[in-house]
This record gives sequence, structure tokens and C-alpha cells, in this order.
Amino acid sequence: EIVMTQSPATLSVSPGERATLSCRASQSVSRNLAWYQQKPGQAPRLLIYAASTRATDIPARFSGSVSGTDFILTISSLQSEDFALYYCQQYNNWPYSFGQGTKLEIK
Amino acid sequence: QVTLRESGPALVKPTQTLTLTCTFSGFSLTTGGMCVSWVRQPPGKALEWLALIAWDDNKYYSTSLKTSLTISKDTSKNQVVLTMTNMDPVDTATYYCARSRGIVGGIRSYYGMDVWGQGTTVTVSS
Repeated sequence: EIVMTQSPATLSVSPGERATLSCRASQSVSRNLAWYQQKPGQAPRLLIYAASTRATDIPARFSGSVSGTDFILTISSLQSEDFALYYCQQYNNWPYSFGQGTKLEIK
Repeated sequence: QVTLRESGPALVKPTQTLTLTCTFSGFSLTTGGMCVSWVRQPPGKALEWLALIAWDDNKYYSTSLKTSLTISKDTSKNQVVLTMTNMDPVDTATYYCARSRGIVGGIRSYYGMDVWGQGTTVTVSS
């Protein structure tokens, strides 16, 4: 099974600053990775699929990149509504697997 | 507009079988590439993928829960059902269903899980 490791567990950033969230796969998942945002009491929302493609209606400040088995979610200029939990998920191999999440909090 | 809604009991006793239903609209599970997954989230913990059923009736399961899970679909009712046997208090969680779209003959969920239900909370307690 593929293990997805996210870092850091908690990231403190000021509004307007850039946030960089990491996700590492224990083996190759090609580009078959998605990022989700989750706010308290809500279902996850798809942000990015295929490592770097924004989902419908996702603002351009969200971007994804990949280098080998390392995936990055960048939020270029944090807005108040961006402070939330973020999960990566691989869908290249069965079973699918999520990372343990990164909490993005206001500094 | 695509929507999904989970339904099922809020409380089950240990060793009982849980049956959850995902009722969806705005797409058909007879369309090539369409899939529905179940994902759960224990209180304060991370998301855990459980199972997926595809338009071609192929089914995939979490390795650790494979022996206790069964996923099925009723295309006439636009429903996907998940059963989980021998429930335990550690199975207390919010259970979500989510749609994904894939490439026929390729990656099942290439476009990610793009629409989610609001979730249903299940507590396992005697």
C-alpha cells in the first residue's frame, strides 16, 4: 500500500503571505494525486487533480506541482477563507490513500 | 447539478452490521468513467478511503477493511450502498460518499473526487 506523508502537520502563515504544503508518496503515483480542502463541519472540497490541474471554480492562487514522489500545494496569497485542513490523496494504485493532513492556521 | 446524500443509522451497536446509502442525482453510474467512493473520518482524525464502485461494476476496497465491506449499486434508483459488518467503536466516524470521474480504460478517478455528500455521522456504542 502507498503511504502518503504530509508536512508539516501545522503551518502558521499570515494573511497575504504564501503557503507551501508538502505531500510525499512512499512510491511512484505518477501524477495521479489530488488535493482537498476541508473546513470544520464540512465535507472536503476538491482543489487540484492530476497533481497540478485546478478543479472547477478554484481560484488561481491555488497551484500544484510535482517532482518525482514529492507533491506541493502552493497558495500564493492567503485569504481568510483559506485557513483550513488540507489533504492529499493518491489514486494511482489500489487502495487509494490520503495523507494525514496539514492544518493551515493564521499566524 | 450533481448532488450526493448519505443516509443510514446514527447509532449502531458493536458487532452489528451498518448499511449506508448514497443517493445521487445529476449523473448516472451507467456512464463510462463514473465512480462513487465511500470515505470516512473519525472525530478529529484524517480521511480514510473505504471503497469504490465503478460504472462497469468493478469494485475496490480498503485492504484493512476488505473482509467487512461490501459496496453495490442500484442504477435504477441512483444509489450506492455500503455495508460494513461487525462494527466496533473504532468505526465511529462521519461517512461520506463522493463521485469521481475517470478515463475509460485508464485511471479510475483521474479527475479526483469532485462532488461530495455532506456526510452522515455514525456512532458505534452499546
